[in-house]
Amino acid sequence: SQTIHQWPATLVQPVGSPLSLECTVEGTSNPNLYWYRQAAGRGLQLLFYSVGIGQISSEVPQNLSASRPQDRQFILSSKKLLLSDSGFYLCAWSVRPGEQFFGPGTRLTVL
Amino acid sequence: GQQLNQSPQSMFIQEGEDVSMNCTSSSIFNTWLWYKQDPGEGPVLLIALYKAGELTSNGRLTAQFGITRKDSFLNISASIPSDVGIYFCAGQLRSGGSNYKLTFGKGTLLTVNP
Repeated sequence: SQTIHQWPATLVQPVGSPLSLECTVEGTSNPNLYWYRQAAGRGLQLLFYSVGIGQISSEVPQNLSASRPQDRQFILSSKKLLLSDSGFYLCAWSVRPGEQFFGPGTRLTVL
Repeated sequence: GQQLNQSPQSMFIQEGEDVSMNCTSSSIFNTWLWYKQDPGEGPVLLIALYKAGELTSNGRLTAQFGITRKDSFLNISASIPSDVGIYFCAGQLRSGGSNYKLTFGKGTLLTVNP
């Protein structure tokens, strides 16, 4: 069966510090991968998606970047965090149209 | 971008009551999905609908893919306290391509009073 992992689960970072969130998927090959941000417990905003290694599409202009160094690894990064980057970050995977499966999420607080 | 109108935004009900929520769109969707999110966790897929008019059940949950492909509803029967959470609808556009991107509603916050 497929599983998706995200770490860390919780992160508190000062403004201006770098960020690296990791997402890995097990039990499937060549998945589409997605990064979402959820603010205040409502509304999922798609940030990036990837249909293959090294292929990244950005949905909204922002302070973040994404990379996919391996088939089942998706990384969300920032060089300098802003207060507005705080939120709940969710990774998801899909191998067929119409279904996405989410990870447990990372709670990021920027102070 | 595309938007889904999900209603109601929140619901406060008594245990044992039935619940209904829905999503509408101005665009045609190939697929409708319903997710539930518990506090501090990722959304969990409840029901996936692939055909217009399709009615699918998962335990006490029933969802339908609207015949026009522009709407869907989710019903929860005989609610229990563990039904508390945020329910999201999501759809994939007919012209979505191979990226399988979904459009999400803003969620319905369900509170169940014991």
